[in-house]
Amino acid sequence: RKEVEQDPGPFNVPEGATVAFNCTYSNSASQSFFWYRQDCRKEPKLLMSVYSSGNEDGRFTAQLNRASQYISLLIRDSKLSDSATYLCVVNAGGTSYGKLTFGQGTILTVHP
Amino acid sequence: EAGVTQFPSHSVIEKGQTVTLRCDPISGHDNLYWYRRVMGKEIKFLLHFVKESKQDESGMPNNRFLAERTGGTYSTLKVQPAELEDSGVYFCASSPRPSGELFFGEGSRLTVL
Repeated sequence: RKEVEQDPGPFNVPEGATVAFNCTYSNSASQSFFWYRQDCRKEPKLLMSVYSSGNEDGRFTAQLNRASQYISLLIRDSKLSDSATYLCVVNAGGTSYGKLTFGQGTILTVHP
Repeated sequence: EAGVTQFPSHSVIEKGQTVTLRCDPISGHDNLYWYRRVMGKEIKFLLHFVKESKQDESGMPNNRFLAERTGGTYSTLKVQPAELEDSGVYFCASSPRPSGELFFGEGSRLTVL
């Protein structure tokens, strides 16, 4: 079983749609959680951190359920520029605080 | 402010040869990381420097890989001798403190023939 699992997609949605991505992680001791975005042949960029209370940044909402070891990302009012691969990322913390574990990524394509 | 820069952007070598990848982190970032993505797989951690010290090198695949960060500024990752399975994109990242909020470089694509 992979440490971080994501639905690879691809998700193809029209502009203006709402889309949700899910992610599960296997290490119950994981300390911190993130969503990164990666455009084709570019570097990953931090989209947002994910907190237990849930957090929102404009059209993006992230949720964490520690009991179920489940992370989600909701994108509202999708834009063409949201097309990218979304990476679910987990940090074990403790002595491994510098080590991130990545999911394989979920591909999103937003079309006109 | 300059971001994380990596060189070369693409390297094509033959099996058995040596390649050295370089990373210049964001100025003032003590934490420097190497990750890689091989074809069809997820991005995987290789190692973490704090200044010039190796904090965690648990992800280094074998002793053909050598990472250094002399002086705590730029870092190099040497693969010697390269094997076919080493092909992939090698990402460097840096951060001012240990966290999951990393700034990545654009990566060095390595192709071993």
